[in-house]
Amino acid sequence: KQEVTQIPAALSVPEGENLVLNCSFTDSAIYNLQWFRQDPGKGLTSLLLIQSSQREQTSGRLNASLDKSSGRSTLYIAASQPGDSATYLCSGTGTASKLTFGTGTRLQVTL
Amino acid sequence: ETGVTQSPTHLIKTRGQQVTLRCSSQSGHNTVSWYQQALGQGPQFIFQYYREEENGRGNFPPRFSGLQFPNYSSELNVNALELDDSALYLCASSLGTTDGYTFGSGTRLTVV
Repeated sequence: KQEVTQIPAALSVPEGENLVLNCSFTDSAIYNLQWFRQDPGKGLTSLLLIQSSQREQTSGRLNASLDKSSGRSTLYIAASQPGDSATYLCSGTGTASKLTFGTGTRLQVTL
Repeated sequence: ETGVTQSPTHLIKTRGQQVTLRCSSQSGHNTVSWYQQALGQGPQFIFQYYREEENGRGNFPPRFSGLQFPNYSSELNVNALELDDSALYLCASSLGTTDGYTFGSGTRLTVV
């Protein structure tokens, strides 16, 4: 059974800092790794998708990497802004194609 | 290209009642999944449909059921509502079972 753990659970940083969110999973047989952002009470917004043959993806100030052998993924956010404040969720797609989520990292970027 | 649309956005039901939640998939997406998200938790997989057939189910009782229609829209039905069913219900669609997912804004269900 796939289990996903995200560290830290919460993070508060001043504006402009670079930061790293961590995600680990117990079953390395994941197919895709997808990072999402969730604002309070809202749905999930896809940030980055790393497909099975890939090791990393970049979009603007965001970079995500995937190491299946160690069961880890990281999301790097450069030059953080107050608008980045949200909960960040990572999810792995297994052979059953369902997404297994961690409990998220709640990020607050302060002025 | 429209995204995933869910209705209603909010709903209050009484324990024991039945509820139907609806989802319109992103255009061209033939796979739809439903998730339940309790407060402070990550989403939990309920079930998935691919071309109108259920092709995966999470650890939810049979009173949680679903349908996918020929236009790939979908419904989630929950019978005999319990207080613990109060949650945000999320629908997600995908081009295929191994592609990325697009989520809707969710339906907030409150059972009183």
